[in-house]
Amino acid sequence: EVQLVESGGGLIQPGGSLRLSCAAPGFTVSGNNMNWVRQAPGKGLEWVSIIDNTGRTYYADSVKGRFTISRDNSKNTLYLQMNRLRAEDTAVYYCARVIIYDGGDYFDYWGQGTLVTVSS
Amino acid sequence: DIQMTQSPSSLSASVGDRVTITCRASQSISTYLNWYQQKPGKAPKLLIYAASTLQSGVPSRFSGGGSGTDFTLTISSLQPEDFATYYCQQSYSSRTFGQGTKVEIK
Repeated sequence: EVQLVESGGGLIQPGGSLRLSCAAPGFTVSGNNMNWVRQAPGKGLEWVSIIDNTGRTYYADSVKGRFTISRDNSKNTLYLQMNRLRAEDTAVYYCARVIIYDGGDYFDYWGQGTLVTVSS
Repeated sequence: DIQMTQSPSSLSASVGDRVTITCRASQSISTYLNWYQQKPGKAPKLLIYAASTLQSGVPSRFSGGGSGTDFTLTISSLQPEDFATYYCQQSYSSRTFGQGTKVEIK
């Protein structure tokens, strides 16, 4: 069974750094495209970043230059390194598996989310 | 950037009602459109991908349609477990979600 388990969230001061992890028992992270989606409290979903199975990475403009998506194949884990955090980065962060088809893609399995709060 | 606009933002309906949610893209996205359901405190769940393909395990009362810029999600007979927020999402150019449609009990 596909499972995604996020961790690493917490309270962090503005300007600080945090690394989120997403463990994936049940399937191989390196063989899949993976991404992060976030949701600010009481708000909608916002796509954050994707890493494809070749290692290419893409980011939303709102996090480009501050966040880095990566994976550790030996640990079968996806990461999101978040630097220079701002109050507007406060959100629940979800990792999700990406399935590609005929030029498009969709997110079929999601983790339970981890809350990041940026506040002094 | 492609903007996705859902309407309505919220609706009230009764069990058994037919419900339709609309999603409009700011430019043509062919059929690269997905729909998700989210319940409070839970992760989103994929319902439909490629505008009209039902994800495995999703009840057949859910259906999707449209192409280009205009899309619909229809629930043919609303069930108690369907009260939730629904999001559309495009994958034609990067990825963008609509703002969500909350389906509430009348």
